[in-house]
Amino acid sequence: DAGVIQSPRHEVTEMGQEVTLRCKPISGHDYLFWYRQTMMRGLELLIYFNNNVPIDDSGMPEDRFSAKMPNASFSTLKIQPSEPRDSAVYFCASSLEGEQYFGPGTRLTVT
Amino acid sequence: AQSVAQPEDQVNVAEGNPLTVKCTYSVSGNPYLFWYVQYPNRGLQFLLKYITGDNLVKGSYGFEAEFNKSQTSFHLKKPSALVSDSALYFCAVRDRNSGAGSYQLTFGKGTKLSVIP
Repeated sequence: DAGVIQSPRHEVTEMGQEVTLRCKPISGHDYLFWYRQTMMRGLELLIYFNNNVPIDDSGMPEDRFSAKMPNASFSTLKIQPSEPRDSAVYFCASSLEGEQYFGPGTRLTVT
Repeated sequence: AQSVAQPEDQVNVAEGNPLTVKCTYSVSGNPYLFWYVQYPNRGLQFLLKYITGDNLVKGSYGFEAEFNKSQTSFHLKKPSALVSDSALYFCAVRDRNSGAGSYQLTFGKGTKLSVIP
């Protein structure tokens, strides 16, 4: 298996623009997680899905952030409008049970 | 509620010496415990887990961790450190008795391990 796939790997955008991050989980995994990592706040769970259904979105910082999982093999995290404080590395992870497997991350820079 | 503490932001060890990265946890029930490693500009990589059974768990790259229920600890260890072990290490916990669908891991803040040649 190729592991968790994320795209793009790097994204540079201007404040106010819409940003869409994409994730393909490991085939057969029924949990999908979105995390954000910064030096200041460390690793934060934003939202997670079970069988494509959002279970807990309490970590989503504000209404500018939204996530969808239209099917078992694809999820998106959207930021609209983006702000400089959204600059971070965003990770997607998937799990069947127990341990989570992380993607390589998307490094987002908002100028 | 569940929580994890990694009391050391950084650990320095000489190559060839044993290393320990500390982790303590808090859960209301029984824990599932995990260690992850993150190399620069990479995602977190699973190292090992404790689910039940033997308190000493062996994982990837020669790492092991010891579950100590009385001390609520799950320290990561390796008998002989390599320079290539230098990375950021995360401990994580999940309450085994959490309800169906409550599947999130709580991660510590991470410990930066530097192995000095």
